[in-house]
Amino acid sequence: DMKVTQMPRYLIKRMGENVLLECGQDMSHETMYWYRQDPGLGLQLIYISYDVDSNSEGDIPKGYRVSRKKREHFSLILDSAKTNQTSVYFCASSSRTGNYAEQFFGPGTRLTVL
Amino acid sequence: KTQVEQSPQSLVVRQGENCVLQCNYSVTPDNHLRWFKQDTGKGLVSLTVLVHENDKTSNGRYSATLDKDAKHSTLHITATLLDDTATYICVVGDRGSALGRLHFGAGTQLIVIP
Repeated sequence: DMKVTQMPRYLIKRMGENVLLECGQDMSHETMYWYRQDPGLGLQLIYISYDVDSNSEGDIPKGYRVSRKKREHFSLILDSAKTNQTSVYFCASSSRTGNYAEQFFGPGTRLTVL
Repeated sequence: KTQVEQSPQSLVVRQGENCVLQCNYSVTPDNHLRWFKQDTGKGLVSLTVLVHENDKTSNGRYSATLDKDAKHSTLHITATLLDDTATYICVVGDRGSALGRLHFGAGTQLIVIP
């Protein structure tokens, strides 16, 4: 069963606290992504990982960092969270040989920074 | 600058009616276009992908068209069901591989009422 999982699903943090969002996939996909989704906007790409320890900035990387030590896991870290990082965060994965770069999405993590 | 525009922003239809969702884009190159369905609080699920000039696809009650000259796509939903209530997102890929970038529309929120 092809699946992308995200933990936690909901998170409330205070401004200045650190945040760790976890993503896992069971499809052995090389490429993984972190996006954020805000009302009225399309998904925005934060970071891409092409494989273990091979990460690249997306369109809005400021305030975020990532870690990929195993192919099946990709973490998003917010050091000292800010209120404008309140959003829904989606992880996705895709295969290099997949059908037109089809991305498989996790269910999202709703983060609120107070 | 938004490169993928969807209309309408929201739409309410009665169960059993048909509806048409529009997507206009300015992404270049436009390798492929994919429609996703996003149920409330869930991740994105691919409905169909269009690749070629004047492509047409069909997936059950969902059918889609692509006009690459006009940079325009439509998603038709026939005989809507209550479960069709969701946000439909148009995504344009600039390459056919995972190395490419995806450009997301903000989505059309469809509500199907009894």
